[in-house]
Amino acid sequence: QVTLRESGPALVKPTQTLTLTCTFSGFSLSTTAMAVSWIRQPPGKALEWLSVIDWNDNKFYSTSLRTRLTISKDTSRDQVVLTMTNMDPADTATYYCARYLRGHDFGYYFDSWGQGILVTVSS
Amino acid sequence: DIQMTQSPSSVSASVGDRVTITCRASQDLTNWLAWYQQKPGSAPKVLISTVSKLQSGVPLRFSGSGSGTDYTLTITSLQPDDVGTYYCLQAKSFPLTFGQGTRLEIK
Repeated sequence: QVTLRESGPALVKPTQTLTLTCTFSGFSLSTTAMAVSWIRQPPGKALEWLSVIDWNDNKFYSTSLRTRLTISKDTSRDQVVLTMTNMDPADTATYYCARYLRGHDFGYYFDSWGQGILVTVSS
Repeated sequence: DIQMTQSPSSVSASVGDRVTITCRASQDLTNWLAWYQQKPGSAPKVLISTVSKLQSGVPLRFSGSGSGTDYTLTITSLQPDDVGTYYCLQAKSFPLTFGQGTRLEIK
């Protein structure tokens, strides 16, 4: 059974750096076609894709946020970490991590999601 | 970036109705398109991958179709449990992009 869980601060101040951790189980990020991604959703708004890291340590970022985002993985601990610099109230959102399948045999899509973590940016 | 235009933004239908949601991409997705359902307060759940592959446990009243730039999610015989917001996702290339969502309610 695949599970993912997000952890991190619920409240950050403007200009601070946000660090979120996704701890997962039920698969290994060293297995071909496995990837973990971050997606966010401001209150009442649509889903927005942020970043992904795959089994081969390939990393991709949102065009509009790429200068502020860094994604990394710790395969031994089954964790993926996302940092976002220079936080702004507009970054207030629920942040989700999700497993992303990335291969022609599996398809290309998010098949399992964490429950999400609400991060509020306020002074 | 590939832009996804999803329509309608909201729809209200009666139990038993057929509902259709569409997504149009700014370029050919070569069928790398998925559909998600999100209920209030919950994470999205995948319904369909690769245009038409129904995920395990998803009711057969859900189906997907399309090709190229135009894709459709169809719900035949709408049920009360289908209330929620639906999103398409293009996975043709990075950055991945979602449609803006369709809010589905029961009349």
